[in-house]
Amino acid sequence: DTGVSQDPRHKITKRGQNVTFRCDPISEHNRLYWYRQTLGQGPEFLTYFQNEAQLEKSRLLSDRFSAERPKGSFSTLEIQRTEQGDSAMYLCASSLSGADTGELFFGEGSRLTVL
Amino acid sequence: SQKIEQNSEALNIQEGKTATLTCNYTNYSPAYLQWYRQDPGRGPVFLLLIRENEKEKRKERLKVTFDTTLKQSLFHITASQPADSATYLCALPAGGFKTIFGAGTRLFVKA
Repeated sequence: DTGVSQDPRHKITKRGQNVTFRCDPISEHNRLYWYRQTLGQGPEFLTYFQNEAQLEKSRLLSDRFSAERPKGSFSTLEIQRTEQGDSAMYLCASSLSGADTGELFFGEGSRLTVL
Repeated sequence: SQKIEQNSEALNIQEGKTATLTCNYTNYSPAYLQWYRQDPGRGPVFLLLIRENEKEKRKERLKVTFDTTLKQSLFHITASQPADSATYLCALPAGGFKTIFGAGTRLFVKA
């Protein structure tokens, strides 16, 4: 297994455009998370899926943000009508429920720049 | 609300010395605490977990302590090497399925 994959790695867009990020978790992991990270800060939780069910959403996730995990495998995070404040690194992580350490396996992130 | 504080100033040390990073938390009694390493432009990588009933945990050159009275964890890297230069993040389970992270401390190890 190659770990958690995210695509694209970099995205530059103009304000008002929609963007979509994809995450492929480690295949046997049933838990999937999206985080956002800005420069000099730690990752901030956005949302969590267990299999295909979205079980938790942060207040940070405004209604311009939507995430899906349709078949309990890959996930997408869409941002509509992007704003400059959306510029950040969007990190996906996966984990296995019942794992002893609660370790999150992160992808390399998708860096968004909104002009 | 739950809050994690890590020293925002970068830590500069000489190769071979021990680096010590601090994580303090408030309004919280976590069952465990995690440490992650993050290199520039990369995702965080898990290093260690220490549970509330453990005072100390070691892994190779890493040592973590957890003082639930002080609400503090210390992360030590002994015999530091330039390859240890990175940002180190403290993380706690925050209820539900959420993990919250500190802002991290940047470590520079000079040869």
